[in-house]
Amino acid sequence: QAALTQPPSASGSPGQSVTISCTGTSSDVGSYKYVFWYQQLPGKAPKLILYEVSKRPSGVPDRFFGSKTGNTASLTVSGLQAEDEADYYCSSYAGSNNLVFGGGTKLTVL
Amino acid sequence: EVQLLESGGGLVQPGGSLRLSCAASGFPFSTYWMHWVRQAPGKGLVWVSRITRDGTSTSYADSVKGRFTISRDNARDTLYLQMNNLSAEDTAVYYCGVAERSSYGADFWGQGTLVTVSS
Repeated sequence: QAALTQPPSASGSPGQSVTISCTGTSSDVGSYKYVFWYQQLPGKAPKLILYEVSKRPSGVPDRFFGSKTGNTASLTVSGLQAEDEADYYCSSYAGSNNLVFGGGTKLTVL
Repeated sequence: EVQLLESGGGLVQPGGSLRLSCAASGFPFSTYWMHWVRQAPGKGLVWVSRITRDGTSTSYADSVKGRFTISRDNARDTLYLQMNNLSAEDTAVYYCGVAERSSYGADFWGQGTLVTVSS
């Protein structure tokens, strides 16, 4: 149950795009469509922004885009806004009814 | 409106026990799998446990297996996490989550309850 690998930090200027990676193995990200992405503001609960790799819950802007290639999933935020500054976490089904999270990425809007 | 309200956190000595509760409302509780995750101070999210709709199947992270027990009371729309033999490494905010869209990930998390293990 090793954690998925995310970069500790990412940044971009308003209006730019930034991509956050989430690297697992063939036992988790590489084998299942159950990759979720969460946004967490300081002191708040995580909020779902993408599920099953690329599906957006209602209310989440289409500036948030998800994809997956092999053992790596990615979250792309386009048209960066100040309100996007937060911690972002990925999670994946890891088989045997277990889940695994990434270590989190702090996104800074410059 | 989906609401999850965790309670039961607090200060406990090493080796002690706590039972967390998660009161659910705004959705058909018995229909969905439920999860617990935790977040140590300044650290990332870590999955802890999950339970199926009827409570007959459970799963745990290796770090808590044999010490924590997840359960649910569908008549009371409440999820539980019994935590035994606690250590400092269990200090964290514990969040419960409901898996509506997919059993293998939670759509919505409560606001969390803080568990502090210290002498």
